[in-house]
Amino acid sequence: GAGVSQSPRYKVAKRGQDVALRCDPISGHVSLFWYQQALGQGPEFLTYFQNEAQLDKSGLPSDRFFAERPEGSVSTLKIQRTQQEDSAVYLCASSLEAGFNEKLFFGSGTQLSVL
Amino acid sequence: QQQVKQSPQSLIVQKGGISIINCAYENTAFDYFPWYQQFPGKGPALLIAIRPDVSEKKEGRFTISFNKSAKQFSLHIMDSQPGDSATYFCAARTRKLSFGAGTTVTVRA
Repeated sequence: GAGVSQSPRYKVAKRGQDVALRCDPISGHVSLFWYQQALGQGPEFLTYFQNEAQLDKSGLPSDRFFAERPEGSVSTLKIQRTQQEDSAVYLCASSLEAGFNEKLFFGSGTQLSVL
Repeated sequence: QQQVKQSPQSLIVQKGGISIINCAYENTAFDYFPWYQQFPGKGPALLIAIRPDVSEKKEGRFTISFNKSAKQFSLHIMDSQPGDSATYFCAARTRKLSFGAGTTVTVRA
């Protein structure tokens, strides 16, 4: 498939566990974004990569959240010591061009449930 | 703090009717206003977008109306179809996209 792929589709974690969420962007896309979508809400920006450089992490809610994109393609969002308030859908989006441009393609997300 | 306020939270429309969703913003630095459509279990998909120098944009059955002075914009879905049943998000961009809270549209056959 040519779309943005995210895995796992669902993740259940016990409070205090660490989790890692994966995003495979569309091949060749320069920009990659992570968003958090709480139930019944719109997506909230977490962080932005241009190739392997993390240019904006202003939306990460705490230092328990960490994202990387070491080779400028696949990205991983890691959440340490998960809390119940971390329960949400985590969306990844990519775009061909650099910057916060207009054509974002979203994956189907990872639904994280922290018990 | 939500930078884009969206209403209504949900609406029900009969097949063939018009769905209208409204959004308001305060930040005059926003330079691009897209609408996204999201089906259950899927990520948002870009539906239609407008820039603030244009008052209206139409693509098929979907129209954006933009009122720069009032800092409001709206999505009109004409001849609504059951396949349009989804959640719609307005958004606005400065350096990043800020989304509204969403409107769940249900089209009754």
